[in-house]
Amino acid sequence: EAQVTQNPRYLITVTGKKLTVTCSQNMNHEYMSWYRQDPGLGLRQIYYSMNVEVTDKGDVPEGYKVSRKEKRNFPLILESPSPNQTSLYFCASRSAGFRSNYEQYFGPGTRLTVT
Amino acid sequence: AQSVTQLDSQVPVFEEAPVELRCNYSSSVSVYLFWYVQYPNQGLQLLLKYLSGSTLVESINGFEAEFNKSQTSFHLRKPSVHISDTAEYFCAVIEAAGNKLTFGGGTRVLVKP
Repeated sequence: EAQVTQNPRYLITVTGKKLTVTCSQNMNHEYMSWYRQDPGLGLRQIYYSMNVEVTDKGDVPEGYKVSRKEKRNFPLILESPSPNQTSLYFCASRSAGFRSNYEQYFGPGTRLTVT
Repeated sequence: AQSVTQLDSQVPVFEEAPVELRCNYSSSVSVYLFWYVQYPNQGLQLLLKYLSGSTLVESINGFEAEFNKSQTSFHLRKPSVHISDTAEYFCAVIEAAGNKLTFGGGTRVLVKP
């Protein structure tokens, strides 16, 4: 089954404790991205990656890091989480270019609470 | 840079009544437009999209949206809603030859019996 998986689905942590949210897709997609969802703000892009070893900032990259060492994986790293990073996070992927019809496939989400 | 505005944050509607969710965008170049749906406690699913061709696009579950270039709008409609349509709906835009998908703030639809 074609899918994007994220782990963990729920996470409660404390300020300053480094954490990683994993994302994996099995569709051989070139393009992957991370979003955070906050009430009234929709989804805002954190980082994206066009392919292996190619990453770039989205709209709200502060406090986050990413890496793309393998095509299927795109982990999101919070080196020193703060309460304002409490949010619902989504990973997404799609094929590059027009042949993909630009359709993005989303993971199930990770609800993060930082106390 | 493109932006998307969803004019209604919440839309309560009775079962079997029609619903319209408004979406306006701004961009200096050609765009592709999408509606995504998020059911409670789930991720986002593509509902329908406009890339080219007919400006009226339809989904398999009775929704339709019309691309209006002059009004820079992509409103979503359904003539008769069901309880199961209760969800949050997001309008999104990507510039042609671009990479970034920009979302509106979302419209929460609550269908009442």
